Amino acid sequence: SAVISQKPSRDICQRGTSLTIQCQVDSQVTMMFWYRQQPGQSLTLIATANQGSEATYESGFVIDKFPISRPNLTFSTLTVSNMSPEDSSIYLCSVETGITISSPLHFGNGTRLTVT
Amino acid sequence: SQQGEEDPQALSIQEGENATMNCSYKTSINNLQWYRQNSGRGLVHLILIRSNEREKHSGRLRVTLDTSKKSSSLLITASRAADTASYFCATAYLGGSEKLVFGKGTKLTVNP
Repeated sequence: SAVISQKPSRDICQRGTSLTIQCQVDSQVTMMFWYRQQPGQSLTLIATANQGSEATYESGFVIDKFPISRPNLTFSTLTVSNMSPEDSSIYLCSVETGITISSPLHFGNGTRLTVT
Repeated sequence: SQQGEEDPQALSIQEGENATMNCSYKTSINNLQWYRQNSGRGLVHLILIRSNEREKHSGRLRVTLDTSKKSSSLLITASRAADTASYFCATAYLGGSEKLVFGKGTKLTVNP
């Protein structure tokens, strides 16, 4: 099973600044997913990152606010831009474990972001 | 919204008791998955049940699926303090993309 390292584990940032979250996987994966988990809430998919193409964003999320890079099959970054207190959440990176559609996901431990 | 709904939102039991959590969803699915999230950690996949399956077991976990009622349940038998966590169901919708849609979760507390 894939091991996912996510950095930073937590951060406190001032409004108006940006934070880049890194996700490193110990094996090559086709698709990587970025989720947001607001306090006490469920997970919401932000975007799907494929190597070699632009990320696919879900409704309500835009590239200018959440730019994503996917330079190779083991690494991705998510940037939270021009942050406001409403961006305070846990951000989670995940990858699929299998080759079939909607196979189970492996998750990193998340980045707990607080915007003041 | 296609989001699943778990109930109860919170459950507190004594060690050794069984814990049952339910999940309802809205449209036809390929599969339904259950995840656990310990405080401050990422989610861990527990079990996947396909739309043509009705029951599945894994250790102390038992999952049922009723597609006619669009619902699933997760039973944890002989609970332990270490089972304290939030539990989420996630659905893969039939004809949908790769993405999973997560429910709001049940927060389980097992008291020693």
